[in-house]
Amino acid sequence: QQQVKQSPQSLIVQKGGISIINCAYENTAFDYFPWYQQFPGKGPALLIAIRPDVSEKKEGRFTISFNKSAKQFSLHIMDSQPGDSATYFCAASRVSDYKLSFGAGTTVTVRA
Amino acid sequence: DAGVTQSPTHLIKTRGQHVTLRCSPISGHKSVSWYQQVLGQGPQFIFQYYEKEERGRGNFPDRFSARQFPNYSSELNVNALLLGDSALYLCASSGTGGFSRGQPQHFGDGTRLSIL
Repeated sequence: QQQVKQSPQSLIVQKGGISIINCAYENTAFDYFPWYQQFPGKGPALLIAIRPDVSEKKEGRFTISFNKSAKQFSLHIMDSQPGDSATYFCAASRVSDYKLSFGAGTTVTVRA
Repeated sequence: DAGVTQSPTHLIKTRGQHVTLRCSPISGHKSVSWYQQVLGQGPQFIFQYYEKEERGRGNFPDRFSARQFPNYSSELNVNALLLGDSALYLCASSGTGGFSRGQPQHFGDGTRLSIL
């Protein structure tokens, strides 16, 4: 069973626009929520991560919003650039556990 | 510094054969995890090893096995290959302390396994 559900499956955004990807989880024991970026032919690369003690974390153009009561978290990519075109995965884990549970991924295409 | 390295990059096998995939972690990392990524899906956890001991296992059949060597490199073995084993196999390494100490998993570029 998929422990992390991710949507949308794909999205297209114009250069300079905002990309929003949403994830939901069921396991309330999860307390570590990273986002990974994957380019074709490459492995996933950590983008940004959040713990449930904060509701928002920002790193450059990437922001994670976290809603503990709703068991949801999202990634916002501001001022999207063509180089951001990639597949994005949300994931969840317990900090005491190395096992990451991934969402199904969102393919983002940024049109110039 | 070198990242996580995996070999081979591509592999073609036939049903019923066995395969061995190799992973070298980032220097100083003692934890290695293996994931299977089927085309169009997110990675699925297979195994995690720390200090040469298995610390976690995902929902995979006994045909899948792994081990970690004294130099912290690792092998993933799959026996009696099935068509459904066709996937990208990813290795990830982590520093001591795991996520609680700000040690994320760093992934290699994977081994693309195709079963004919």
